[in-house]
Amino acid sequence: AQKITQTQPGMFVQEKEAVTLDCTYDTSDPSYGLFWYKQPSSGEMIFLIYQGSYDQQNATEGRYSLNFQKARKSANLVISASQLGDSAMYFCAMRDWNSGNTPLVFGKGTRLSVIA
Amino acid sequence: EPEVTQTPSHQVTQMGQEVILRCVPISNHLYFYWYRQILGQKVEFLVSFYNNEISEKSEIFDDQFSVERPDGSNFTLKIRSTKLEDSAMYFCASDREQNSPLHFGNGTRLTVT
Repeated sequence: AQKITQTQPGMFVQEKEAVTLDCTYDTSDPSYGLFWYKQPSSGEMIFLIYQGSYDQQNATEGRYSLNFQKARKSANLVISASQLGDSAMYFCAMRDWNSGNTPLVFGKGTRLSVIA
Repeated sequence: EPEVTQTPSHQVTQMGQEVILRCVPISNHLYFYWYRQILGQKVEFLVSFYNNEISEKSEIFDDQFSVERPDGSNFTLKIRSTKLEDSAMYFCASDREQNSPLHFGNGTRLTVT
């Protein structure tokens, strides 16, 4: 069974600074995908970034990058140059690919607060 | 950019009543999902749907719940005899293929009184 662990219930960061949100995962499947979603106070789920288990390079998407350490089973999200609008809940999630179209499994989330 | 749309955005119902939550997935997507998020908690998988049938469901998705794709565009979640603990945000999602990210709707906030 898949499992996602986000150990930071809340984080604070100064505006314009970088912040790392931790995520570790557990799966027995060699083929999987890792995702990060942002949930602002308005409630919608916004896809940020994706990393495949066989991808050789860390994924990047604008100010978001994923620090993927496969041996440690970690997929930390790095947000550079934080903005006030980055304040939100952030969820790490994964899907196994070898078991068919398995559902996305989420971690408990980290609430990020950006301070001016 | 095409998006998943959900209606209504907020639904209030009395305990014991039936509710139907509606979703229009992205038109060329093949896989459809319902997720639930109780306030302040994590997002939980309910059910996935492909080729007009349920492909997987969680323990939460018991006989109280059902899904349907009544026509080529809508995807509905029906909750029979609602309970107070069904109060949550319900998200619909869709994707086109296995290794693509899920696209979520804005959710329906269900309040059972």
